[in-house]
Amino acid sequence: NAGVTQTPKFQVLKTGQSMTLQCAQDMNHNSMYWYRQDPSMGLRLIYYSASEGTTDKGEVPNGYNVSRLNKREFSLRLESAAPSQTSVYFCASSEAVGGRQPQHFGDGTRLSIL
Amino acid sequence: QKEVEQDPGPLSVPEGAIVSLNCTYSNSAFQYFMWYRQYSRKGPELLMYTYSSGNKEDGRFTAQVDKSSKYISLFIRDSQPSDSATYLCAMYSNYQLIWGAGTKLIIKP
Repeated sequence: NAGVTQTPKFQVLKTGQSMTLQCAQDMNHNSMYWYRQDPSMGLRLIYYSASEGTTDKGEVPNGYNVSRLNKREFSLRLESAAPSQTSVYFCASSEAVGGRQPQHFGDGTRLSIL
Repeated sequence: QKEVEQDPGPLSVPEGAIVSLNCTYSNSAFQYFMWYRQYSRKGPELLMYTYSSGNKEDGRFTAQVDKSSKYISLFIRDSQPSDSATYLCAMYSNYQLIWGAGTKLIIKP
């Protein structure tokens, strides 16, 4: 009954370092999403994958790359971390893109860039 | 101006009170309206989902949508300390959910 699993839960990086955030879902959902959540800004979409093999930019894609590895897994990569990327990152999944499809979230990765 | 506005709070009320949480929006194209609840250090979870104007009830929760005023509300009856959380509204447009910043709710025993 795992739902959406994100790893790691916490990470501290130095400016310029790279890292990959991992996400996996076990609900056989077609669509997956990466958000960042910042105080007073709410959730902002970074990238999404409507189905296996496709990815599209969201509201704030700069500085990030994504890979839809298979139907279950969707990773987010920071190539050269910057302090402005300090945030809480959430992965979500849904049966399909669209307003009728609720999104299910993981518990987040808390990332600090020094 | 943000597309979705939500008072960040915190909103502190005594146990048993009726709570009213609200969002306003500017884009008349929004069609689907959702309320999510987020506990500290957890991801958001879907509470209520509505499409049309009017009310939708689920237990102690009622979601209300007024498209003419571009205003949505979530009411919580008989509030419990376990309802203490951040409540996020979200609206669907162009394959994306547009989110309010969330209102922090504190229910005092």
